[in-house]
Amino acid sequence: EAQVTQNPRYLITVTGKKLTVTCSQNMNHEYMSWYRQDPGLGLRQIYYSMNVEVTDKGDVPEGYKVSRKEKRNFPLILESPSPNQTSLYFCASSLSSVPNEQFFGPGTRLTVL
Amino acid sequence: GQQLNQSPQSMFIQEGEDVSMNCTSSSIFNTWLWYKQDPGEGPVLLIALYKAGELTSNGRLTAQFGITRKDSFLNISASIPSDVGIYFCAGTLHYGGATNKLIFGTGTLLAVQP
Repeated sequence: EAQVTQNPRYLITVTGKKLTVTCSQNMNHEYMSWYRQDPGLGLRQIYYSMNVEVTDKGDVPEGYKVSRKEKRNFPLILESPSPNQTSLYFCASSLSSVPNEQFFGPGTRLTVL
Repeated sequence: GQQLNQSPQSMFIQEGEDVSMNCTSSSIFNTWLWYKQDPGEGPVLLIALYKAGELTSNGRLTAQFGITRKDSFLNISASIPSDVGIYFCAGTLHYGGATNKLIFGTGTLLAVQP
């Protein structure tokens, strides 16, 4: 089944403890992206990648890192999480390097205490 | 950054009613997309529009790419309880070179009373 998977789905952590949220797609998509969703703010892009080893900042990249060593994986890294990073995170991918018809993962709900 | 103004923010309707929501911007978009998000799930693509003036249907859903390329609307006819969710518009902007960006609206929450 074609899908985008994220792990973990739920995470509660403490300020400053490094964490990684994994994202994987099995559709051979070139474009991958991370979004955060907060009430009243919609979906805001954190980072995106148009292909392997090509990543760039989105609208809200501060406090996050990403890597794209393989086409299928696009992990999101929070080196030192803070409470303002408590949010619902979505990974998405699309076939071409143009971010049109994106497929979304199920989401990761992160709480930073 | 770029913004998409989506309205209304929320709608509470009776089953069987038609629904209309729209997105506008001061920027020109290359594509318009409409997504639906069910509670606890990621957004799912409903309709994609690629040409100005394009009108596309998907079952009871109809969406149009505005002639000016600055707006789009989504209509849902004869709503049913499973239409409940948050609907997002999204548009693709070309930033020059190979850089394109997908911008999302803030969403319309739809509640349907059986």
